[in-house]
Amino acid sequence: QQQVKQSPQSLIVQKGGISIINCAYENTAFDYFPWYQQFPGKGPALLIAIRPDVSEKKEGRFTISFNKSAKQFSLHIMDSQPGDSATYFCAASKGTSGTYKYIFGTGTRLKVLA
Amino acid sequence: DGGITQSPKYLFRKEGQNVTLSCEQNLNHDAMYWYRQDPGQGLRLIYYSQIVNDFQKGDIAEGYSVSREKKESFPLTVTSAQKNPTAFYLCASSWTESSYEQYFGPGTRLTVT
Repeated sequence: QQQVKQSPQSLIVQKGGISIINCAYENTAFDYFPWYQQFPGKGPALLIAIRPDVSEKKEGRFTISFNKSAKQFSLHIMDSQPGDSATYFCAASKGTSGTYKYIFGTGTRLKVLA
Repeated sequence: DGGITQSPKYLFRKEGQNVTLSCEQNLNHDAMYWYRQDPGQGLRLIYYSQIVNDFQKGDIAEGYSVSREKKESFPLTVTSAQKNPTAFYLCASSWTESSYEQYFGPGTRLTVT
């Protein structure tokens, strides 16, 4: 019940296309869903995050869509660029007494072709 | 220049030796975390600390130890009891009040042979 399942494992998209990465969770107590971007040999960087009280959040070319009833959320990268080539991780968290432990998905390696 | 620093970037050790990874933050965050990352897997929580002199085990704490003597420092020791210590280790920090965002350091790649 603590798992976060992420798909696909890898994704190849043409420049200018839309990249879509999906995550599913089971624990309905999760109340925070961030996406992280990681370049090789670097630490993950927070990209965008959503709480379950909204169904969509957009920041620039990045959008999170959230479906509470289906317990799924997804990251959409519009107008994908070669610089977006990285590994993306979704996560879910349940705040407990000020500590927000994350459960991470297994990651999606995105390659955007020039 | 605020952030999280981890040192060294690469670390090599012989099997049977303990090794300590450094993590320092100047963000004035209360909570700090250690994760392990293996190829094809997500990040897995080793230990976390909400406050100085207190820490809790994460999901894979066996073979690891930590200390939190100062707010800005959270070193991780990989002991000889850890069966598969070769991995990429990531430190993170966050506020503990009304904030979920965790900020990660650049990581330390540990290779044990």
